[in-house]
Amino acid sequence: RKEVEQDPGPFNVPEGATVAFNCTYSNSASQSFFWYRQDCRKEPKLLMSVYSSGNEDGRFTAQLNRASQYISLLIRDSKLSDSATYLCVVNVRQGGNYQLIWGAGTKLIIKP
Amino acid sequence: DAGVIQSPRHEVTEMGQEVTLRCKPISGHNSLFWYRQTMMRGLELLIYFNNNVPIDDSGMPEDRFSAKMPNASFSTLKIQPSEPRDSAVYFCASRDRNYGYTFGSGTRLTVV
Repeated sequence: RKEVEQDPGPFNVPEGATVAFNCTYSNSASQSFFWYRQDCRKEPKLLMSVYSSGNEDGRFTAQLNRASQYISLLIRDSKLSDSATYLCVVNVRQGGNYQLIWGAGTKLIIKP
Repeated sequence: DAGVIQSPRHEVTEMGQEVTLRCKPISGHNSLFWYRQTMMRGLELLIYFNNNVPIDDSGMPEDRFSAKMPNASFSTLKIQPSEPRDSAVYFCASRDRNYGYTFGSGTRLTVV
């Protein structure tokens, strides 16, 4: 079983719709959580951190469920420019250091 | 700030040749990471440095791969000899003390 699992998609969604995807992680000692966005042939960029109480940034809402070990990302009023791959990332303490564990990403395609 | 700078952006080389990828992290970031990304395997951590010291190189595929960080502003990833299966995008990322990661634009390596 992978440490961080995501549905690879693609999710094909009409412009203006709401879309949500989840990510599950296996290490209960995971410390912090992030969503990154990666455009085709570009580097990953931080979209948002995920806080225990849930957090919102404009049209984007992230949630964390520690009991079930999953995080989610909700995008409201989707735009064409939201088309990208969304990477779930978990920060795990291993020994004396922290390490990011990356999901394989969920591909999102917003259609006009 | 110019961000994380990688060179070259693209590299095409023949099997058996030596390849050297370069990275300049963001000034003041004390950790540097080398990642490899392929369609099949996603984003994989190869090695990371804290304060110029290699901490975890367990992701380095084999002895053909080596990485150095002679000072806080420069790192190299070397593949010798290169093989077609090394073809991938290689990302360098640096991290600040608040665990914010910034990726370079990547080096797209093709070994023929």
